Amino acid sequence: AQTVTQSQPEMSVQEAETVTLSCTYDTSESDYYLFWYKQPPSRQMILVIRQEAYKQQNATENRFSVNFQKAAKSFSLKISDSQLGDAAMYFCAYRRGQIAGNMLTFGGGTRLMVKP
Amino acid sequence: KAGVTQTPRYLIKTRGQQVTLSCSPISGHRSVSWYQQTPGQGLQFLFEYFSETQRNKGNFPGRFSGRQFSNSRSEMNVSTLELGDSALYLCASSAGGGDSSYNSPLHFGNGTRLTVT
Repeated sequence: AQTVTQSQPEMSVQEAETVTLSCTYDTSESDYYLFWYKQPPSRQMILVIRQEAYKQQNATENRFSVNFQKAAKSFSLKISDSQLGDAAMYFCAYRRGQIAGNMLTFGGGTRLMVKP
Repeated sequence: KAGVTQTPRYLIKTRGQQVTLSCSPISGHRSVSWYQQTPGQGLQFLFEYFSETQRNKGNFPGRFSGRQFSNSRSEMNVSTLELGDSALYLCASSAGGGDSSYNSPLHFGNGTRLTVT
């Protein structure tokens, strides 16, 4: 079974600074997808960024980028120029590639606090 | 376009009762997934429906069931509620089907907070 681990229960960053959230996963599959989701106090999960395992290039979405290390099974999220609105729970998630559907395996989450 | 709508937002039930939660996906979305979120177990996949058929199922007891209607709206039902069923239940929809579904991101609702007393 696949597992996703987020080793940082809480992180703190100063506004405008950069922070990196860690995620490791365990799988025997070669084809899979990885995601970072953000959950603010409103409870709605919002997709931040996604990465296809077959792509070597790291995904980037504006201030958000990932460092995908396939051999090490590591998938960290870097938030640049942190803003107060970035404060939320962040979840790393995994999805197998060769099946249909949206069955995601989530990590335990990292609570990000942004200090003004 | 309206987002994923879950009703009710809050629910309080007594142990032993049953409960039905509702999810209306984004218009045009055919896939609906359900997740349970608790402080202890985190986010866990319950099941997914696509075109009225259950496509995937998580590791939950048979007390948890769901269905999808022809208009893609979905309901999940929990029978014989236990205290441990207290959780935030999240519904998510996506447009995709088949093996290309990964190209269609999941859109989540705000969840239903179920409290079992």
